[in-house]
Amino acid sequence: DVKVTQSSRYLVKRTGEKVFLECVQDMDHENMFWYRQDPGLGLRLIYFSYDVKMKEKGDIPEGYSVSREKKERFSLILESASTNQTSMYLCASSFSQGAGNTEAFFGQGTRLTVV
Amino acid sequence: QKEVEQNSGPLSVPEGAIASLNCTYSDRGSQSFFWYRQYSGKSPELIMFIYSNGDKEDGRFTAQLNKASQYVSLLIRDSQPSDSATYLCAVRGPYNFNKFYFGSGTKLNVKP
Repeated sequence: DVKVTQSSRYLVKRTGEKVFLECVQDMDHENMFWYRQDPGLGLRLIYFSYDVKMKEKGDIPEGYSVSREKKERFSLILESASTNQTSMYLCASSFSQGAGNTEAFFGQGTRLTVV
Repeated sequence: QKEVEQNSGPLSVPEGAIASLNCTYSDRGSQSFFWYRQYSGKSPELIMFIYSNGDKEDGRFTAQLNKASQYVSLLIRDSQPSDSATYLCAVRGPYNFNKFYFGSGTKLNVKP
């Protein structure tokens, strides 16, 4: 079974803190994604990575950065957490187009609250 | 214009009925289409994918794709209360085949 594991299920952080969300996948997927999900807004792509050290901005990258030093691990960094970053964060991974199954597999999600 | 559009619902159907969920997408170059189910507080899980025009059946679920109309649908036969969830339509590509574009989801309520 494909497994995408996020480091925390729930997090509470203070405004201004630097926050790290970690994601690990065990299926040798080339692509990894970070989304946030808010009521009424659906899934919005923050960043994605298609290879080690490669990244591309999604629709809402402001206030976030990412790191992919190893193929299996993709980190999302909130440089200075703000209350409007309170959300559910979802990591996903997939093979590149045309390589095996091409759907995205999701981690269990991290519910982040910034106070 | 959003790449993927869904009616947010809620869609309410009685137990045993057919639930019909719809999705439209904006770019004709899109090639892969996915339906995910998401229970409240949980992450999305894949139900079906479809690449070719026509119908694809898997148990109680049927995905329908009409590329000319840029329309994807999911039919759930013999709906059960356990089918109550939010259903997300996703499209892969078209400008970047490594990206997934998600609709905002349709909430389905199946009433016993």
